[in-house]
Amino acid sequence: AQSVTQLDSQVPVFEEAPVELRCNYSSSVSVYLFWYVQYPNQGLQLLLKYLSGSTLVKGINGFEAEFNKSQTSFHLRKPSVHISDTAEYFCAASNTGNQFYFGTGTSLTVIP
Amino acid sequence: DAGITQSPRHKVTETGTPVTLRCHQTENHRYMYWYRQDPGHGLRLIHYSYGVKDTDKGEVSDGYSVSRSKTEDFLLTLESATSSQTSVYFCAISGQGLTFSYEQYFGPGTRLTVT
Repeated sequence: AQSVTQLDSQVPVFEEAPVELRCNYSSSVSVYLFWYVQYPNQGLQLLLKYLSGSTLVKGINGFEAEFNKSQTSFHLRKPSVHISDTAEYFCAASNTGNQFYFGTGTSLTVIP
Repeated sequence: DAGITQSPRHKVTETGTPVTLRCHQTENHRYMYWYRQDPGHGLRLIHYSYGVKDTDKGEVSDGYSVSRSKTEDFLLTLESATSSQTSVYFCAISGQGLTFSYEQYFGPGTRLTVT
């Protein structure tokens, strides 16, 4: 069975500092990978996705992620965070396009 | 905007009463899902649908039933609500619709409190 692990449940970071949110997945077949962001009292919004091709994927709000097949990782990065990036971030994987597996989330807190 | 709405957005109900939550989409996506979100558990799949009248169970389906009589609507019913079903419920869609979507799009959520 496929699973997704987000290694950090909470990540505090100072404003304008870089951040990396870690995600590992388990799968022996090709996967589609996603990062979602959830602001308080809202639904999940797609940040970026990897389907195929270039392993470096750029998303909205200055975020990017790198697909690493050998390490089965899909870590999310941003070079300089803003207060408005404070939110919950979810990594997800799908190997069929219709069944999805979510990590338990990482709470990013940006400190002024 | 994937055109997903959920109703009601908030509901308070008493233990033992039936509750139905509605998810409505406007883009005819094939797959629809119901999740619940609880602190420390992330998102957990309750039921999903792969077409009209075609549904299947997820990992936390006990106490819930679903129906999909039209492409655009996916209903989640708590047959007899319990306090453990207090949660935030999200609907999602994916797959072939007006366009094909590999990713899921989520509705705004329904906050359900069972007293």
